Amino acid sequence: DTEVTQTPKHLVMGMTNKKSLKCEQHMGHRAMYWYKQKAKKPPELMFVYSYEKLSINESVPSRFSPECPNSSLLNLHLHALQPEDSALYLCASSLPGLAGGETQYFGPGTRLLVL
Amino acid sequence: AQKVTQAQTEISVVEKEDVTLDCVYETRDTTYYLFWYKQPPSGELVFLIRRNSFDEQNEISGRYSWNFQKSTSSFNFTITASQVVDSAVYFCALLTGAGNKLTFGGGTRVLVKP
Repeated sequence: DTEVTQTPKHLVMGMTNKKSLKCEQHMGHRAMYWYKQKAKKPPELMFVYSYEKLSINESVPSRFSPECPNSSLLNLHLHALQPEDSALYLCASSLPGLAGGETQYFGPGTRLLVL
Repeated sequence: AQKVTQAQTEISVVEKEDVTLDCVYETRDTTYYLFWYKQPPSGELVFLIRRNSFDEQNEISGRYSWNFQKSTSSFNFTITASQVVDSAVYFCALLTGAGNKLTFGGGTRVLVKP
């Protein structure tokens, strides 16, 4: 089973709203990722959690706040977003792999529209 | 620095034609991993194939085949006898060393017409 689930599928929010995106996997993976994908572009890495600790933050603005409550869950808290933050937000997970090179499995994404 | 180039932005074929997607990568690492992902209109990135830098054996899996050539830094992907359901954006990606940051190419949109 290589399933990563994400909720909600679609989200519309105003610039003053606070919302959260949720990602869940039950494959025993210990690395989880948030990507942002604009239309007609490849995904861009935002954050990486390894063993529930933030290991990579790709200089993402503080209006995006990740959280990894446990090894199966990954949240992305959103606050005071801008219209240019509208995008598809993808979650992924992988085995941590001491040697690296582990396959990342992606969820279906959340389509976010900021008005 | 790592870089992945997919020179073809869009390919349009008629059903049952073969389609080959090109991918050229750049890295100074000797250990690296190459991937192909498919992204249908629904948005989910679907993993297709993973190859490490020490395994140049090419493979056929059903209608899919891969051609990995280190000498030319290429990792091409072919769909044989294409079907309408193959219509999607295909991404080639590179992972180097012990890291877990994927470097994606720009993607190739494949449109298979009935």
